[in-house]
Parts: sequence; structure tokens; C-alpha cells
Amino acid sequence: DVKVTQSSRYLVKRTGEKVFLECVQDMDHENMFWYRQDPGLGLRLIYFSYDVKMKEKGDIPEGYSVSREKKERFSLILESASTNQTSMYLCASTGLPLSYGYTFGSGTRLTVV
Amino acid sequence: RKEVEQDPGPFNVPEGATVAFNCTYSNSASQSFFWYRQDCRKEPKLLMSVYSSGNEDGRFTAQLNRASQYISLLIRDSKLSDSATYLCVVIPLNSGGYQKVTFGTGTKLQVIP
Repeated sequence: DVKVTQSSRYLVKRTGEKVFLECVQDMDHENMFWYRQDPGLGLRLIYFSYDVKMKEKGDIPEGYSVSREKKERFSLILESASTNQTSMYLCASTGLPLSYGYTFGSGTRLTVV
Repeated sequence: RKEVEQDPGPFNVPEGATVAFNCTYSNSASQSFFWYRQDCRKEPKLLMSVYSSGNEDGRFTAQLNRASQYISLLIRDSKLSDSATYLCVVIPLNSGGYQKVTFGTGTKLQVIP
């Protein structure tokens, strides 16, 4: 089975802190994604990557950046955490074509206080 | 109109009942469709793909109606363990660039003893 591993299940950070969320997949997938999920809003795409060192903005990239230095690892960075970034963050990966479906990590519930 | 719309529910049904959810999509060029299941505080997991001719997996049946632009999920003989939120996923035809994957906000199912 494909495994997508997110480094933390729960995080509490202070406003203004720089926050790193790590995601690792073990199936040599080209595509990796970061979503946030909020009640009533569903899953919203923050950033995605099709290849090493490649990144593309999703629907809500403001306040976030990403890094993909190795194929298996995709990091989400909150440059200066704010309370409106309190959310569930989900990493996903998939091979090609995308019609094979996504595999998600177990999520990181981030609270910014 | 939202790209993908689902009735949020909750659908409260007794054990053993048959229940059906629909998911409407606005992009007629949509190509691939999926149903995901998400348990409370967990990540979404792929339940089944939706094929043009319809497909069945045990108690679950997925159908696609291109003319009316919706997909459906039918669950027969509902079990308590079916209680979850069901997300539909729509992927458009690849136009050469990024395939924008759109998640519905989910329909909550509660199966009652």
C-alpha cells in the first residue's frame, strides 16, 4: 500500500512563528499536494508539485510556501503563522494519470494561538 | 454555481436501509470521477472510482449521468460502520496542463441502530 506520512498529527504554534509541515510518500509518485480542510469549505488546494523542485500555486497559496528538494518529500511552510491558518492540513500524492486517485496522509491539525 | 455540489446532510438512516447521495458538477468536460469516504477526524480514503457504465463493489454502487452532470453513490443494507462523510471528486479532461481536481464538501451519513 502507498503510504503518505505526515510528520505531526497535532501542532500548536504561536502567531508569527514559522511553521514547517512535512510529508513523505514511499511510492515514487510524481505528484504531491497540500490541502487544508475547514468545516463547510471542504478541501482547498494550497500548493502542488509535479516534480522535484517544481511547485505550482493552488487556489489559496497566500501565506504559504512549499519545498520539494527530493521526490518523496513535500514540505509546507507557513512563513508567519496567523490564527486564520488554524486548520486541518492534508498532504496527498498520486502517480500518473491523476485518474488513479489520491492517497492522503493522516493529516496535521494545526492550531495557531 | 459551484464546480462540484453535494448535499451536506446529515442523512440519518436506520441500519439495513438503502441510501443514495448525488453529486452534481458544472464542467461538462469532466473526465474522471471518484467517491471518497472520510471518517471523523481522519483523512479521506478512496472508496471507488465511477465508470461511465456504472460499477458496483459489494453493497456500494456508483453511477454517472453525463447528460445531467451528476454522479451518485448507492449504499444498500447500511451498516453502522458506513457512518462517515462521503466526498465526490471530479477531474476534468487533461488539456495538457494541470488537471484541476475538485472535491465536493461532502455528504454526512449517520446510520442509526
